[in-house]
Amino acid sequence: DTGVSQDPRHKITKRGQNVTFRCDPISEHNRLYWYRQTLGQGPEFLTYFQNEAQLEKSRLLSDRFSAERPKGSFSTLEIQRTEQGDSAMYLCASSLRTSGGPGLNEQFFGPGTRLTVL
Amino acid sequence: GENVEQHPSTLSVQEGDSAVIKCTYSDSASNYFPWYKQELGKRPQLIIDIRSNVGEKKDQRIAVTLNKTAKHFSLHITETQPEDSAVYFCAASDGSGTYKYIFGTGTRLKVLA
Repeated sequence: DTGVSQDPRHKITKRGQNVTFRCDPISEHNRLYWYRQTLGQGPEFLTYFQNEAQLEKSRLLSDRFSAERPKGSFSTLEIQRTEQGDSAMYLCASSLRTSGGPGLNEQFFGPGTRLTVL
Repeated sequence: GENVEQHPSTLSVQEGDSAVIKCTYSDSASNYFPWYKQELGKRPQLIIDIRSNVGEKKDQRIAVTLNKTAKHFSLHITETQPEDSAVYFCAASDGSGTYKYIFGTGTRLKVLA
């Protein structure tokens, strides 16, 4: 499968615990996005990387959340001191920015990590 | 903040009929509008997209129209089939340069056989 992959697919944790999710984008894609999707809602933007640089963070991303993309390939999203309100599907998407192109290229989504905080 | 509104939230149609989903956006700098289909428990999948320099785009039974002046765009599915049943999300790219998507709240489409 050459698409975007995410691990784990499901995570159940107790309130107060830390969790880390991983996203592996399509190999040549230089842009990576994290979104959060709650039941019955559309995905909400969390953060964006171009290569290894984190260029934008949503105000939804409190200081308990941190994301990295150390070598411009895979990315991790960590949530510290989880709260019940963090329960959601965390989606990763990647796209390719081509030099000289319009910059607006399709984002390919991963299957998501479903987090349940008890 | 930037916003995308989507209507209706649920839509039931008979097999073979047409379905229309409408969205409005607030960011006048948005210039790319994708539509995603999400089946239960699966990832969102792009079904069609339109750029701001085009008013209409069609791909077999699916079409999208864009009215930049009114900041409206719509998805049209003709000759609906049971396998079209899913949740559909519209989105608008933000105009800031990150090209992140602002999504609508989704439309649950049910095609009745």
